[in-house]
Amino acid sequence: EVQLVESGGGLVQPGGSLRLSCAASGFTFSSYWMSWVRQAPGKGLEWVANIKQDGSEKYYVDSVKGRFTISRDNAKNSLYLQMNSLRAEDTAVYYCASLSNYFVDYWGQGTLVTVSS
Amino acid sequence: DIQMTQSPSSLSASVGDRVTITCRASQGIRNDLGWYQQKPGKAPKRLIYAASSLQSGVPSRFSGSGSGTEFTLTISSLQPEDFATYYCLQHNSYLWTFGQGTKVEIK
Repeated sequence: EVQLVESGGGLVQPGGSLRLSCAASGFTFSSYWMSWVRQAPGKGLEWVANIKQDGSEKYYVDSVKGRFTISRDNAKNSLYLQMNSLRAEDTAVYYCASLSNYFVDYWGQGTLVTVSS
Repeated sequence: DIQMTQSPSSLSASVGDRVTITCRASQGIRNDLGWYQQKPGKAPKRLIYAASSLQSGVPSRFSGSGSGTEFTLTISSLQPEDFATYYCLQHNSYLWTFGQGTKVEIK
């Protein structure tokens, strides 16, 4: 059974940092691009970042460039999102997902990040 | 960056109705588009890939069409379990974009 399990969310003050993790199992993690997608409370989906299988290519939505860093550890079947200089508008549920292959549509359950003083 | 304009933002329909949702891309994206369904408190689920191909296990009442800049998701006969929010996602460029979403509600 495929599983993506996010962790690391929580309450953080504006300007603070948080590192999200996503543990993958049940599929060949190292074979797929991976993504982070977020959803602010009551709002739509927003793609945040992608990372290539070997980590050599990374892409970000403009609003997080320079503040967020996506990374992966294929030996640990894990995906990460380092979030720095957090703002109130970064408050959202963050999903780890594998979407880049037509036949693969895997999502985690999401982890909530709340940026507030 | 490629912008996706999805319409309508919401609609009310009855069980058995035919429902159509549209996404327009700000530039041509070939058929690099997927359609997703999301129910409250749940992760999204892809229904359609490559603009018109049905994801495995998805009921055949769902269909997609289009290429280039205009795309359509059609539900041929709305079922109770189809009341949800639907999103398009373009992956033509390295920077992906979701549409704003369409909430399908019960009339």
